[in-house]
Amino acid sequence: GAVVSQHPSRVICKSGTSVKIECRSLDFQATTMFWYRQFPKKSLMLMATSNEGSKATYEQGVEKDKFLINHASLTLSTLTVTSAHPEDSSFYICSARDMGQGFGYTFGSGTRLTVV
Amino acid sequence: GNSVTQMEGPVTLSEEAFLTINCTYTATGYPSLFWYVQYPGEGLQLLLKATKADDKGSNKGFEATYRKETTSFHLEKGSVQVSDSAVYFCALRSGGGADGLTFGKGTHLIIQP
Repeated sequence: GAVVSQHPSRVICKSGTSVKIECRSLDFQATTMFWYRQFPKKSLMLMATSNEGSKATYEQGVEKDKFLINHASLTLSTLTVTSAHPEDSSFYICSARDMGQGFGYTFGSGTRLTVV
Repeated sequence: GNSVTQMEGPVTLSEEAFLTINCTYTATGYPSLFWYVQYPGEGLQLLLKATKADDKGSNKGFEATYRKETTSFHLEKGSVQVSDSAVYFCALRSGGGADGLTFGKGTHLIIQP
């Protein structure tokens, strides 16, 4: 079945630095990828939708200059958390739609970001 | 806006017990409804889905029926196993064209032998 690889699974960074998270569709092409954020005991919150070759669409309240999304190919989307602060610490999950499987959603395993 | 409300856990059951995890939603239009499962250390996996009213999704012994009149999509299983221990998320996709999913908070299910 469709597989989405998300890397890294865990990352610790210092305040003020930037962190890049990668999301790859391994065996299918994904024209659309999604980035979610999950707080402890909270639901996954959609942050943005990225379409290959175009700008991402951000949900209300998400700072697009802080959370940079690039979807340069049909198999790779990246989320860069810029000038990270401790309040950016969270669990980030990507998802991709598989054009060949009825546009079903496949999720990555998530990235635990800790900003110290 | 859209929202999904599901019972919060943890829910602890004995093996072979009957399971119900409640899920209700608020949405415009005619949403599609999903249940996802997340096993420890793994990504979310689609468990089942329903795309219109009265549809029943089923998989691995789990079932859920799309009830538009009660805006619900409760997850049920007649006899749970220890291997069903996981976190279960109810979600919807708005029928208005937006592609992202709206999730509930997740229910942690623990099955004891």
